Amino acid sequence: DAGVTQSPTHLIKTRGQQVTLRCSPKSGHDTVSWYQQALGQGPQFIFQYYEEEERQRGNFPDRFSGHQFPNYSSELNVNALLLGDSALYLCASRQRGAGTDTQYFGPGTRLTVL
Amino acid sequence: KQEVTQIPAALSVPEGENLVLNCSFTDSAIYNLQWFRQDPGKGLTSLLLIQSSQREQTSGRLNASLDKSSGRSTLYIAASQPGDSATYLCAVVSIYGQNFVFGPGTRLSVLP
Repeated sequence: DAGVTQSPTHLIKTRGQQVTLRCSPKSGHDTVSWYQQALGQGPQFIFQYYEEEERQRGNFPDRFSGHQFPNYSSELNVNALLLGDSALYLCASRQRGAGTDTQYFGPGTRLTVL
Repeated sequence: KQEVTQIPAALSVPEGENLVLNCSFTDSAIYNLQWFRQDPGKGLTSLLLIQSSQREQTSGRLNASLDKSSGRSTLYIAASQPGDSATYLCAVVSIYGQNFVFGPGTRLSVLP
C-alpha cells in the first residue's frame, strides 16, 4: 500500500501564474482534504472533497479550487498566484464515515512563488 | 472560531531530559485531539490521538494528556534523544466538522 501520494514534490512558479497539485489517496479512502502550511506555521484547512464535490471549505479565496475524480484522486488548483501562496501543500485522505484517527497525510508539495 | 496555540515555540534540550510541550485550544467542543511530528520539509506523522472522552494516551516514551474543560493538552517526552528533534504539532477536530485545526507547532532540538 503506497499510502497517500502527492505530485510534484517541488514546484516553482511566478506571480500571476496558475498551478495544479495532485493527490492520490490511500487505498480504500474516498475523502480527500487539502491543507496549506506556510513556513513556520501550522497547516490550515483549505477544503475537503468526497463524492466528487467540495463538502467543506476553510477561509481561502476563490482562487483556490479543487476537483475530485471518480477514482477518488484529487487536484488543487490555484490561480493568479501571489508571493504569499508559497507554502507546503498537504493532502490528507480518509474513509468517509471513519474518524479522523484514520486520516493519513501525504508528504506534501512545496510551492515556491517568485 | 477555534484557535490553537502551542508553548513554547522552540525548545533546545540536552539528550536524556524529560520535557513537556503544551497545547491550548479555545473551544472545548472537540471530537478529538492529535499530536503530530513533522520533520523539516516533510509531511505529518501522527503520534498520539486522544478522543474527547479520554484523559490520556501513551505510546513508548510519549504520553499525551487532555483536559477538555480547560482547553489544554500536554505532550510529555521521556528520556529525549537526538532523533526526537522535529516540530511537534497539536491539532483538534471540532464536533462541527471533520477538518483539523492546527497549532503553530513547537520546534524541538535535542542536543547529543
